[in-house]
Amino acid sequence: SQKIEQNSEALNIQEGKTATLTCNYTNYSPAYLQWYRQDPGRGPVFLLLIRENEKEKRKERLKVTFDTTLKQSLFHITASQPADSATYLCALYPPGANNLFFGTGTRLTVIP
Amino acid sequence: IAGITQAPTSQILAAGRRMTLRCTQDMRHNAMYWYRQDLGLGLRLIHYSNTAGTTGKGEVPDGYSVSRANTDDFPLTLASAVPSQTSVYFCASSDGGSNEQFFGPGTRLTVL
Repeated sequence: SQKIEQNSEALNIQEGKTATLTCNYTNYSPAYLQWYRQDPGRGPVFLLLIRENEKEKRKERLKVTFDTTLKQSLFHITASQPADSATYLCALYPPGANNLFFGTGTRLTVIP
Repeated sequence: IAGITQAPTSQILAAGRRMTLRCTQDMRHNAMYWYRQDLGLGLRLIHYSNTAGTTGKGEVPDGYSVSRANTDDFPLTLASAVPSQTSVYFCASSDGGSNEQFFGPGTRLTVL
């Protein structure tokens, strides 16, 4: 069965440091991988998409890597700020599938 | 621009009652989705629709039905609610299956 694991339920980090979140998957050959941010009581908000033939994608302070050999994606937030505190979800899009499959998320807290 | 709206925001329902959760988008997206989100299980797809007039089953479709009479609306119906359907329900849309999904604010449903 399909399985997506995000490295931990919760991650605390000091303001200004780089936060690194991990998404591992098994039984997939995903064509796409997406990262979303979810704040309490709200729906997820799309952040970045990376394709299987891309190694790295950047957007402002965000960077995503995609290693199809390791079956892993890393999500980095540089110069983290308290406003970055949220739950971050990775989602995979297997070839031929009709939908995304989501991980359970990592709750990031940036401590001032 | 509203994006995606969901109604109601929250609802407490007696077991055995019928309930329809409403979802409307104004982005003219072809694809729409219904997810439920439970602690420790993440977002799980219930049903989806790739275009008006078509629907498909997701990961957890039992006890739920959907219809897609037009592009904008995608209601989710619980024919006879059970306590295990207590959850937060999110509607989402996208303009292509692999593209980013836009989520509504969610409906918190409690079945007693």
